[in-house]
Amino acid sequence: KQEVTQIPAALSVPEGENLVLNCSFTDSAIYNLQWFRQDPGKGLTSLLLIQSSQREQTSGRLNASLDKSSGRSTLYIAASQPGDSATYLCAGGDSWGKLQFGAGTQVVVTP
Amino acid sequence: NAGVTQTPKFQVLKTGQSMTLQCAQDMNHNSMYWYRQDPGMGLRLIYYSASEGTTDKGEVPNGYNVSRLNKREFSLRLESAAPSQTSVYFCASSERGPGYTFGSGTRLTVV
Repeated sequence: KQEVTQIPAALSVPEGENLVLNCSFTDSAIYNLQWFRQDPGKGLTSLLLIQSSQREQTSGRLNASLDKSSGRSTLYIAASQPGDSATYLCAGGDSWGKLQFGAGTQVVVTP
Repeated sequence: NAGVTQTPKFQVLKTGQSMTLQCAQDMNHNSMYWYRQDPGMGLRLIYYSASEGTTDKGEVPNGYNVSRLNKREFSLRLESAAPSQTSVYFCASSERGPGYTFGSGTRLTVV
């Protein structure tokens, strides 16, 4: 069974600093790796999806990498802003679309 | 707006009562899912439906039943609610991974 871990559980950074969020998974036969953002009391918003054959995906200030051999994915957010404050969840997906989630990293960006 | 719609948004049940959570998507996705989210934990899969007419158990199916009424609708039923089912429930749809879209959630309290 795939297990997904996110460390740290919480992170606080000053505005402008780059954010680095870590995700580790146990089963390297992962179909894809997805990153989501969740604002308090809201649903999840998809940020980036990396297929198992890819090494990274980029969208604006966001870049996510995938290293299947080490069981790790990293989400980079450049030049953080207070609006980036949220909980970020990573999830490993199988070929049926089922996701195994980590517990998330709660990010606070201080002005 | 295109997306996943969940009803109700909030519900309080007494132990032993039953209820059905409704979910509908208008993106013509084949796959639909029900997850629950508990404090300090990632989302866990309850049931999923890979296509109209099929349903399968996820990680935590006990105490729940589902119905894939048609391609658009996927409902989750609690036959006899228990306090352990107090949680936030999310419905989602996708096309085998890419294009994962979540609803805004149902906050359920069982007293």
